[in-house]
Amino acid sequence: NAGVTQTPKFQVLKTGQSMTLQCAQDMNHNSMYWYRQDPGMGLRLIYYSASEGTTDKGEVPNGYNVSRLNKREFSLRLESAAPSQTSVYFCASSEAPHRPPYEQYFGPGTRLTVT
Amino acid sequence: QQPVQSPQAVILREGEDAVINCSSSKALYSVHWYRQKHGEAPVFLMILLKGGEQKGHEKISASFNEKKQQSSLYLTASQLSYSGTYFCGTGLEGAQKLVFGQGTRLTINP
Repeated sequence: NAGVTQTPKFQVLKTGQSMTLQCAQDMNHNSMYWYRQDPGMGLRLIYYSASEGTTDKGEVPNGYNVSRLNKREFSLRLESAAPSQTSVYFCASSEAPHRPPYEQYFGPGTRLTVT
Repeated sequence: QQPVQSPQAVILREGEDAVINCSSSKALYSVHWYRQKHGEAPVFLMILLKGGEQKGHEKISASFNEKKQQSSLYLTASQLSYSGTYFCGTGLEGAQKLVFGQGTRLTINP
């Protein structure tokens, strides 16, 4: 099992460019999440999908859109990248926060730089 | 609202003990603990649920004070492999998401 995979691993964009970060999981989890991690800020939730067909905003959704393509895949799109979106992006999946086995499994991350 | 972790950073010698705290202003249903090594993804350590249920790795212990909405992670007889940044994630009853704290950086020296 690959667990949670993310593509690309690294990306450099110019201000105003768009891109889509891809995430896939092979654990048959219902819930999927997109976080961004900035120094000293911890993990901040951008969007999440509690189950296939649903998506909801997290703490920092502005400037992002998501698509839950199917149960396996959850993509994050930056329509017009800004330097403030320079960050490390993690995708995660879980059965559900309050259902066994509880834990969120994280992908390896995408390091995005916007110049 | 983001939970508050303390301390922000701690440096220990191998074999010493550490306590990392996580505090919330909201009535919590669960507290999750994760560890992240530099350049890697966070990894689950344990979960503490309202009512006393706990699940996690054998060598990790933690507590959850439901009255104070505080959790503490206890790292005893620390090993070099314990180094990393520790995050608590808090969940409300019925919520489908976690809110993570800002992290505590733990450095273990030989």
